[in-house]
Amino acid sequence: GAVVSQHPSRVICKSGTSVKIECRSLDFQATTMFWYRQFPKQSLMLMATSNEGSKATYEQGVEKDKFLINHASLTLSTLTVTSAHPEDSSFYICSARDLGGSKTEAFFGQGTRLTVV
Amino acid sequence: DAKTTQPPSMDCAEGRAANLPCNHSTISGNEYVYWYRQIHSQGPQYIIHGLKNNETNEMASLIITEDRKSSTLILPHATLRDTAVYYCIVSVGIQAGTALIFGKGTTLSVSS
Repeated sequence: GAVVSQHPSRVICKSGTSVKIECRSLDFQATTMFWYRQFPKQSLMLMATSNEGSKATYEQGVEKDKFLINHASLTLSTLTVTSAHPEDSSFYICSARDLGGSKTEAFFGQGTRLTVV
Repeated sequence: DAKTTQPPSMDCAEGRAANLPCNHSTISGNEYVYWYRQIHSQGPQYIIHGLKNNETNEMASLIITEDRKSSTLILPHATLRDTAVYYCIVSVGIQAGTALIFGKGTTLSVSS
């Protein structure tokens, strides 16, 4: 089945630094990928929709200058958390749908646990 | 906002069937019902989806009422590894390229 790979799975960074998270579709092309954030004991919250070759679309309340999204190819989207602060500590998850295949479901990465100290 | 309503938690004995309900009374004609589950500290895992007809795969069965306003996910023989948060999501199909919007889900606890 279609696989979405996310890297790293876990990262600890100092406050004020930037962290880049990669999301790859391994066996299909994804013109659109999605980024979610999940705080402890809460559900997944959609942050932004990443579109290959164009600007990402951010959900209301998500700072586009803080959460930089780049979708330079059909198999890779990156999320960069800039000037990270402890309140950015969360579980970040990417997702993609195989628009060229027969499956209608979305596939999710393993998630990235970000801890800002 | 999520378009579904699920009980916050359910318990199930190992080996028994787990029946997880979901209400989606405002579902549109072109929207599917998707079920995902999330085991602690992992990304969501696809289980099953359907439009109108009941569906079955190697993981579960999905029963959708005739008026499509509710559905039930059935895990026929629950195991301890099925302990997870189960999300019922209503969404248009793949052509729209839209994101899945998650509600609070049901925490299923399977015990021996």
